[in-house]
Amino acid sequence: GDSVTQMEGPVTLSEEAFLTINCTYTATGYPSLFWYVQYPGEGLQLLLKATKADDKGSNKGFEATYRKETTSFHLEKGSVQVSDSAVYFCALRYAGNKLTFGGGTRVLVKP
Amino acid sequence: DAGVIQSPRHEVTEMGQEVTLRCKPISGHNSLFWYRQTMMRGLELLIYFNNNVPIDDSGMPEDRFSAKMPNASFSTLKIQPSEPRDSAVYFCASSQLQGTYNEQFFGPGTRLTVL
Repeated sequence: GDSVTQMEGPVTLSEEAFLTINCTYTATGYPSLFWYVQYPGEGLQLLLKATKADDKGSNKGFEATYRKETTSFHLEKGSVQVSDSAVYFCALRYAGNKLTFGGGTRVLVKP
Repeated sequence: DAGVIQSPRHEVTEMGQEVTLRCKPISGHNSLFWYRQTMMRGLELLIYFNNNVPIDDSGMPEDRFSAKMPNASFSTLKIQPSEPRDSAVYFCASSQLQGTYNEQFFGPGTRLTVL
């Protein structure tokens, strides 16, 4: 079946450091890919998305590129802030509405 | 827009009691999802509805769990009887059924503690 694998956290960084969170997926077709973010005490929010190979999603300084050849959708940010401390979820979805989530990666940014 | 509304935000109950969680999706959305989040198991999809009809309930843990969507603006998730291992944060999400960018919008969650 379809699955999403993320690097395990927590990831601890200093402010202004470069962030990468790895995400790979297993799927039989060509799903849409998503990154969601969950801030403490809140529900998940969509951070960015890509619907086909080589698409790049971007938002709030975060980027991720849909790589079909490596079945990956790694999340990157060039300079993190304390406010980026959160749990990040990679997810995939086909034409239906059901999302398949990875296990989540907790990121802690220290001043 | 008010977003997805869940109630209660926090629920503390004793083992064996019935618990009902409530969700109001975003107006105009016709898909609704119930998730459960725990440290041990992460984020799990329990059940989802399209146009008020349950489509996939394979994630519902056991018969103690049931979900209904009597109309487009309301859904409930019921646990009867509750057990301590049901303690978790339960999220409701909604989206439009059609379209490429039918983003799921999540509610703030209900934190359930079963003693």
